[in-house]
Order: sequence, then C-alpha cells, then structure tokens
Amino acid sequence: QVQLQESGPGLVKPSETLSLTCTVSGVSVTDSYWSWIRQSPGKGLEWIGYVSYTGSTDYNPSLKNRVTISSDTSKNQLSLQLTFVTAADTAVYYCAKEYGDYVSDNWFDPWGQGTLVTVSS
Amino acid sequence: SYELTQPPSVSVSPGQTARITCSGDALPKKYAYWYQQKSGQAPVLVIYEDYKRPSGIPERLSGSRSGTMATLTISGAQVEDEADYYCYSTDTRGNLERVFGGGTTLTVL
Repeated sequence: QVQLQESGPGLVKPSETLSLTCTVSGVSVTDSYWSWIRQSPGKGLEWIGYVSYTGSTDYNPSLKNRVTISSDTSKNQLSLQLTFVTAADTAVYYCAKEYGDYVSDNWFDPWGQGTLVTVSS
Repeated sequence: SYELTQPPSVSVSPGQTARITCSGDALPKKYAYWYQQKSGQAPVLVIYEDYKRPSGIPERLSGSRSGTMATLTISGAQVEDEADYYCYSTDTRGNLERVFGGGTTLTVL
C-alpha cells in the first residue's frame, strides 16, 4: 500500500524559502512520477510540479521561476522548495503519486494528507 | 494556459441524481478524472479515464465524457456524498500540462 506523508515548517516568513519533504512508503520513488499540489485556503487545487523516476522535473509555468522539486532515493523522499514566498503562497501542500504513461496522460493517486504552510511575519 | 470549467455549486435532495460538469477544449482528446474532497481531508480519486471507478468507490458514482464536456453523475445522492468535486485533465499542447477544474461544491439536503 502506497503512503505519502508531508512534513516541514508550518510557518514561513515572507521573502524566505518554503521547504517541505514527502516521505514515501510502499513503493520506491524510482518507480514513478511524483507531484506536488497545493490548495490555498478556501480555494481550488493547483499543480506545482513533478519529479520523475529519472530525476527530471517540470513545473507549473506560473511558479517555474521559484520552485525546485527533487527526490532522494536513499531516503525514499521527495522535496519541494519555493523561494521568495508571499502571503499568496499560504496553502495546504500535498504530494501525490502519478499514474499513467506520463507522455499523453496521467493522474494522481494516492495523495498525502497535506501540510498547511502559512506565510507570515 | 489551459482551463477546465466547473459550476461552483450543485444542490440536490437525498436520493436525487446530481450531475457535475467539466468543460475544456482538450477534452475531446483527453481523459477526464474526478476527485472528491471532503472537509479537512485530502482529495480522493473517484473516477479515472472518464468512467472507471477505483476499488471501494460506490457504484452510484459514474463518469462520462462527450466532446468538450465530462460529467460526474451521482445517482441516488446521499448525505455522505457532500463534498467538493474537482475534475482533472491534461492539455494537448507541449508538455503534459496538468490542470484542475475550479471545483464544485455538492450539497445534499
């Protein structure tokens, strides 16, 4: 059974870097693509980006200049870094496993429980 | 960028059929997926590849796709079906752009 657990600081100051970790169990991070998705309070879902089983990445164009996603195969973890955060980056951040052929089609399942990150001084 | 459009809210009485739509220009060529998110919880996949149900998802939830529209149908809606529902799909242009609809709040009362 695949399980994902996000962790990291719940409070980040404006202009600083948000750093989160997603610990994966039940499957190796080298077996799939993995995405980060966020949800601002009371709002919808926004895909942030993915890291593939080879370590390649792709990001939402709206965040591309500030985001880095990577994987640590020795720890079976994913990481998310978002630089120069503002209040608009306050959200619940989820990691999720991707299914599909990753070329023409994909979807997310399962998701971690999510972790709330608040950007405030 | 690509967009998927959903109605903000749908309301039905218990036992009635609820239909939630999702429109997008790439849907004639792309599968639609549906996620259910109950209050305070992570989204859960309820429909994949237009109409397939993951294990454990009730048969009263079904999906379809025609032209630029995908539809999630909940037949005989129950109070426990109250949730936000998000459609998801990908774009046909360039890299596989991953896009969620804005979400629909289903009220069953």
